[in-house]
Amino acid sequence: RKEVEQDPGPFNVPEGATVAFNCTYSNSASQSFFWYRQDCRKEPKLLMSVYSSGNEDGRFTAQLNRASQYISLLIRDSKLSDSATYLCVVNLGRRSGGSYIPTFGRGTSLIVHP
Amino acid sequence: SQTIHQWPATLVQPVGSPLSLECTVEGTSNPNLYWYRQAAGRGLQLLFYSVGIGQISSEVPQNLSASRPQDRQFILSSKKLLLSDSGFYLCAWRRGGLQYRNTIYFGEGSWLTVV
Repeated sequence: RKEVEQDPGPFNVPEGATVAFNCTYSNSASQSFFWYRQDCRKEPKLLMSVYSSGNEDGRFTAQLNRASQYISLLIRDSKLSDSATYLCVVNLGRRSGGSYIPTFGRGTSLIVHP
Repeated sequence: SQTIHQWPATLVQPVGSPLSLECTVEGTSNPNLYWYRQAAGRGLQLLFYSVGIGQISSEVPQNLSASRPQDRQFILSSKKLLLSDSGFYLCAWRRGGLQYRNTIYFGEGSWLTVV
């Protein structure tokens, strides 16, 4: 089983739609979670952290379910500019060498059309 | 504020030629640094990480190497490139501290095409 798994999509939705992505992780000791957005041929950029209690940033809502080991991202009122790949990131905490090693999912592609 | 830059942005190299990608971080000290590669249609693969000057950990055996000659400088190298080395290379640094939850930030990336 992969450490972090995402449905690659693409999710093809009309403007104004609500769309949700899930991401599952295999290591129950994972400590922190994030969603990144990656535009075509660009670097990933932090979209939002994911907190245990769930958190919202405008049209975006992130949830964490530790019992089932998944995180989710909900986008409401989709815009054309939301078209991108959304990467799930899980941080396992310190390794023996002292560094945190973030593990990325392969990403979920979102296409918002007029 | 902290910034990260890497260069060159794009390069086309023949098989067997050497490679050097450079990354620098400004506005912070003793950062954890990472090199990732993203092949076409694939996820991010961690190549190397470094917790300090001269300290390099390799995640994947390959013909690439990394060095950290200065606190905020991270270099990715190869003596002889293979076709399979083509991809999007990303340098990243980790923002430590509980309030930042060890978030990582990426440089702009370097597109490498080996021909």
